[in-house]
Amino acid sequence: DTEVTQTPKHLVMGMTNKKSLKCEQHMGHRAMYWYKQKAKKPPELMFVYSYEKLSINESVPSRFSPECPNSSLLNLHLHALQPEDSALYLCASSQWQGETQYFGPGTRLLVL
Amino acid sequence: SQQGEEDPQALSIQEGENATMNCSYKTSINNLQWYRQNSGRGLVHLILIRSNEREKHSGRLRVTLDTSKKSSSLLITASRAADTASYFCATANFPTGANSKLTFGKGITLSVRP
Repeated sequence: DTEVTQTPKHLVMGMTNKKSLKCEQHMGHRAMYWYKQKAKKPPELMFVYSYEKLSINESVPSRFSPECPNSSLLNLHLHALQPEDSALYLCASSQWQGETQYFGPGTRLLVL
Repeated sequence: SQQGEEDPQALSIQEGENATMNCSYKTSINNLQWYRQNSGRGLVHLILIRSNEREKHSGRLRVTLDTSKKSSSLLITASRAADTASYFCATANFPTGANSKLTFGKGITLSVRP
């Protein structure tokens, strides 16, 4: 199984809402990632978890809160987002940091 | 900040032709990877080449790496309409470890005309 799944596929939320994005992999990978991608731009790294511990935080605003409940799951909790946070949010995993990454299909987020 | 810079930014070719895309980077790397992204979807890993390798093949793909010039090229032979996508190079910084991450270039838009 080389699949990374993400839910939901689409999300529309107001600036006062709280929502969560979910990501799951069953490849036994020990590194998991959140990226943000704007249209016609490359993915921007947000967070890296390695062995379920936060390894890298790319100075992301606190309205984004990552969580890694176990080695297969990665969540991104969203609160009080801004319209400029609208983007495609991609989850990825790899055997360990710096190696081949497997991406999920993404969650397309629209903040109104 | 972007490490990899692809060239050209956009490429349009006829089906059956070869497509060559270039990537340059600035700092020492552990490996360099190429990814494909179809419109609005997740990225798909194509090939990884390590810093001690010079050339790698995978099906219709050929990747070269020149660490002295800090550059890589991706060649897609006998292109198909289905190859139409955005292509990104991504570099994994050296050394590997807790701070290791991929830094993506701006991407190349490839259009293959039927």
